[in-house]
Amino acid sequence: QVQLQESGPGLVKPSETLSLTCNVSGGSFNSFFWAWIRQPPGKELEWIGHVYYSGSTTYNPSLKSRVTISLDASKKQFSLNLSSVTAADTAIYYCARAWAHVRHNFDSWGQGTLVTVTS
Amino acid sequence: DIQMTQSPSSLSASVGDRVTITCRASQTISTYLNWYQYKPGQAPKLLISEASTLQSGVPSRFSGSGSGTEFTLTISSLQPEDFATYCCQQTYSTPPTFGQGTKLEIK
Repeated sequence: QVQLQESGPGLVKPSETLSLTCNVSGGSFNSFFWAWIRQPPGKELEWIGHVYYSGSTTYNPSLKSRVTISLDASKKQFSLNLSSVTAADTAIYYCARAWAHVRHNFDSWGQGTLVTVTS
Repeated sequence: DIQMTQSPSSLSASVGDRVTITCRASQTISTYLNWYQYKPGQAPKLLISEASTLQSGVPSRFSGSGSGTEFTLTISSLQPEDFATYCCQQTYSTPPTFGQGTKLEIK
């Protein structure tokens, strides 16, 4: 049974870069898309982007200029960097997995980590 | 982006009740529609994919239907563990987008 676990700072200052890592255990890293999804307080879930196990990435156009998602297959980890954050980036951040043939069907998720942007 | 709108936003019901949640897409999405369940502090769970395909391990009291722009999630007989938030998601186009969620509460 695959498990995903987010880690990273819970507080980030405005204008700085938010950095999170997702550790994957108990399953294969290959043949999947690895995604980041967030939920601001009181709002709907928002797809940030994903990285394929090969390393190719796709981002949400609304965040594309500020987002980098990368992976380290040897460590079974993938990471999110979101630059120039503002209070609007305060959210619960989830990492999730999707099979390659159904790239946006997220069948496994982490529990989420709350990131608050505050000075 | 395709906008997903759910109704109702919240719903009070009792154990044993039959409930239905509706999701509407701002344009046709065929059956590229998923339903998730999530609870505070827990990982969201994929319940139904492609509008009506029940995921492995999901109880048969959950069912989904619809195509085009209108979809429904039905729980035939509510159990205590079903009180949670449910949201829909379209996978027809990138970026995938989600509904705002329906919070199902105990009456």
